[in-house]
Amino acid sequence: NAGVTQTPKFQVLKTGQSMTLQCAQDMNHNSMYWYRQDPGMGLRLIYYSASEGTTDKGEVPNGYNVSRLNKREFSLRLESAAPSQTSVYFCATGYEQYFGPGTRLTVT
Amino acid sequence: LAKTTQPISMDSYEGQEVNITCSHNNIATNDYITWYQQFPSQGPRFIIQGYKTKVTNEVASLFIPADRKSSTLSLPRVSLSDTAVYYCLVHSGNTPLVFGKGTRLSVIA
Repeated sequence: NAGVTQTPKFQVLKTGQSMTLQCAQDMNHNSMYWYRQDPGMGLRLIYYSASEGTTDKGEVPNGYNVSRLNKREFSLRLESAAPSQTSVYFCATGYEQYFGPGTRLTVT
Repeated sequence: LAKTTQPISMDSYEGQEVNITCSHNNIATNDYITWYQQFPSQGPRFIIQGYKTKVTNEVASLFIPADRKSSTLSLPRVSLSDTAVYYCLVHSGNTPLVFGKGTRLSVIA
């Protein structure tokens, strides 16, 4: 029982490159969330999915897209990375918000 | 979404009880109050959740007055390993959580 897993753990991108962050959960939760956390700041919600087949924008959705592939998986895509997207990205699931270990992304 | 206000930082010595108070003046009837703990380089971890009065678990206690406009997280006999950022949130159902900057607790030996 892994809980919430995120891949990759670290990533460095050049400006304009694209990538997809993956999140998977084995907790049978309906809701899943993507947050970003900048140094010394709280978490900000990017997108969330209340249930399989639905997605909604959060506080800071610009520059991101998401896919709720199935009940277990919720991916976050950066189509054209920018330095302002350098951050730590956390996936969370469920009403009590169980968080994954995070992905540390640097855009140069 | 209800806004919360909590102190930016607190210091405490090991072995003391720490109380962190959070204000949420516009909490809605359906909202619950939830506290999270975050260590450096990790995601937040659920600590405790309550609706009214008092809730206690093996980690902490949560005190909520009758008007529910504030709540207090109580950590008994803190140790160095309790040094972390603590977030107070109010939310209902599956509505997204709004994290503020939290309270940075530093426990001193």
